[in-house]
Amino acid sequence: DQQVKQNSPSLSVQEGRISILNCDYTNSMFDYFLWYKKYPAEGPTFLISISSIKDKNEDGRFTVFLNKSAKHLSLHIVPSQPGDSAVYFCAASGGNKLVFGAGTILRVKS
Amino acid sequence: KAGVTQTPRYLIKTRGQQVTLSCSPISGHRSVSWYQQTPGQGLQFLFEYFSETQRNKGNFPGRFSGRQFSNSRSEMNVSTLELGDSALYLCASSLMVRFDNYGYTFGSGTRLTVV
Repeated sequence: DQQVKQNSPSLSVQEGRISILNCDYTNSMFDYFLWYKKYPAEGPTFLISISSIKDKNEDGRFTVFLNKSAKHLSLHIVPSQPGDSAVYFCAASGGNKLVFGAGTILRVKS
Repeated sequence: KAGVTQTPRYLIKTRGQQVTLSCSPISGHRSVSWYQQTPGQGLQFLFEYFSETQRNKGNFPGRFSGRQFSNSRSEMNVSTLELGDSALYLCASSLMVRFDNYGYTFGSGTRLTVV
């Protein structure tokens, strides 16, 4: 039962363009959503989050959008940089645990 | 301040053996969670400890167990290893059981290979 889904295993974007990573969830009780970034041989690092009472949160080049009616969130990175190349995990919190998606590999080409 | 420390970083074990992984959380953090990462499956939640008590458990067989000590350090054990247990095991710590942007921090993980 995958409650958080990232349907795109990978995404390739040209440097300077926008990267859009998508995430869908099924549990309407989730109250907080987070994005993590992971480089090889390192643990995931927190990137940005959004509460279920908001529909947008922005932090520098990173913006997360939440569409509760569609149970969908997305991460926009503008402009994309080669250093953004990593695996991005979407996560949702409900109760005492964090549920992660399978991740999307982002490659930013220079 | 020191981050979350996981030891060992790499481990190779044989099928049927058992293994113990260790996690030292950030000083002052009382909640420790464990995750298994495999390709295509993302991070699967194993269990979470808070003040030495297991508060939550994921859908893993009983071969996977854990504990937390009074100093908040945590260990997880996998008995009767199977090839499918090969994965990156990640530990995360936080000040309390909450998942907003207040310091839910991951370690670098232990890469377990079962041969």
